[in-house]
Amino acid sequence: EPEVTQTPSHQVTQMGQEVILRCVPISNHLYFYWYRQILGQKVEFLVSFYNNEISEKSEIFDDQFSVERPDGSNFTLKIRSTKLEDSAMYFCASREHNTEAFFGQGTRLTVV
Amino acid sequence: QKEVEQDPGPLSVPEGAIVSLNCTYSNSAFQYFMWYRQYSRKGPELLMYTYSSGNKEDGRFTAQVDKSSKYISLFIRDSQPSDSATYLCAMSGMNSGYSTLTFGKGTMLLVSP
Repeated sequence: EPEVTQTPSHQVTQMGQEVILRCVPISNHLYFYWYRQILGQKVEFLVSFYNNEISEKSEIFDDQFSVERPDGSNFTLKIRSTKLEDSAMYFCASREHNTEAFFGQGTRLTVV
Repeated sequence: QKEVEQDPGPLSVPEGAIVSLNCTYSNSAFQYFMWYRQYSRKGPELLMYTYSSGNKEDGRFTAQVDKSSKYISLFIRDSQPSDSATYLCAMSGMNSGYSTLTFGKGTMLLVSP
């Protein structure tokens, strides 16, 4: 069964460092998302991506964040200068048009 | 008022019980409703997906949407210990293929043998 895959499963980084979280969405999907979940809190939307551009972003997705689809399969989230409060689970999701969204298993980001 | 409200639980039931999980919402633009199951430190796993009002059944799971009351429910029949997880409701608007999901905080369910 097709699935969204994310790497790495766990990333530890020092405050101020840049990190890149990677995702391979389901191959025939058109819409891609990043969500995050701080421990004990709800899943929050960060950004959506369609047709090689950002289609929507939340207030959380400020200038330190960027997304890219460098080739036909990968979808990345870059955090330029990590802060302690960026520690969270980051989930990638993908969907076809007006269908359910499928999530990856997440990358646990720990900023120390 | 929060957009999506969900009782965090925990909800503890014995094996075999019928479980009722609920969410209320305030945004009348929501048209797509989903229930996800999330195990600790794992990604949300889609359980049910419904459009607009009505019921949908899949095995032991039944999803109900009442748009007039802005209320959605997930029923689990014959609950099993393996159903122990956090259940997230999520919803999105229409006419937007890339419409974002708004989640509830999740209800933790514990099914004891």
